[in-house]
Amino acid sequence: EVLLVESGGGLVQPGGSLRLSCAAFGFRFNTYEMNWVRQIPGKGLEWLSYIDSSGRISYQADSVKGRFTISRDNARNLVFLQMDSLRVEDTALYYCARGSSFYIGDFWGQGTLLTVSS
Amino acid sequence: SYELTQPPSMSVSPGQTANIICSGDELTKKYVSWYQQRPGQSPVLVIYQNTKRPSGIPERYSGSNSGNTATLTISGTQPVDEADYYCQAWDSTSVIFGGGTKLTVL
Repeated sequence: EVLLVESGGGLVQPGGSLRLSCAAFGFRFNTYEMNWVRQIPGKGLEWLSYIDSSGRISYQADSVKGRFTISRDNARNLVFLQMDSLRVEDTALYYCARGSSFYIGDFWGQGTLLTVSS
Repeated sequence: SYELTQPPSMSVSPGQTANIICSGDELTKKYVSWYQQRPGQSPVLVIYQNTKRPSGIPERYSGSNSGNTATLTISGTQPVDEADYYCQAWDSTSVIFGGGTKLTVL
């Protein structure tokens, strides 16, 4: 069974940093692309970042470029989102999703909540 | 930057057909995916590559993409189909989501 489990969310002050993790189970992790998507409660989906199966190619949304960095550890079946210079408007539920060339998520985690507040 | 536009909401009676549209400039040149999100749950992929259904998605879900409009069609809509639906496409190295359509079945 494919399972994605996000962790690392919590409360952080504006300007702070946090690293989210997503653990993958039940599939050959090193053959799949991965994405991070966030959702402000009650609002729509916002794509943040993509990484290819090898970890060599990544893309970020303009809204987080220069502040968020995606990476992966194929030996441990983990994908990360390093978030720096956090802002109040980054408060959201953060999902990781398993992707391919044609979609950004055929399986999604349950999400981890980030709150940025002083 | 590229935009995908969806109506914020629509309603359909049980058993009827729901057509949820997604508009974007020359959208037909892109592959469109659709995601269903029920309240309090994570998104679920229901259509990808414009017309393909992932395993486990009921046959009443179908998709099309022509010109500037992609359409998610739900035939014989059931109460369980009540959810938010998002279209999605790639634009160069960015992923774009539509704003979402809240489908009410009543």
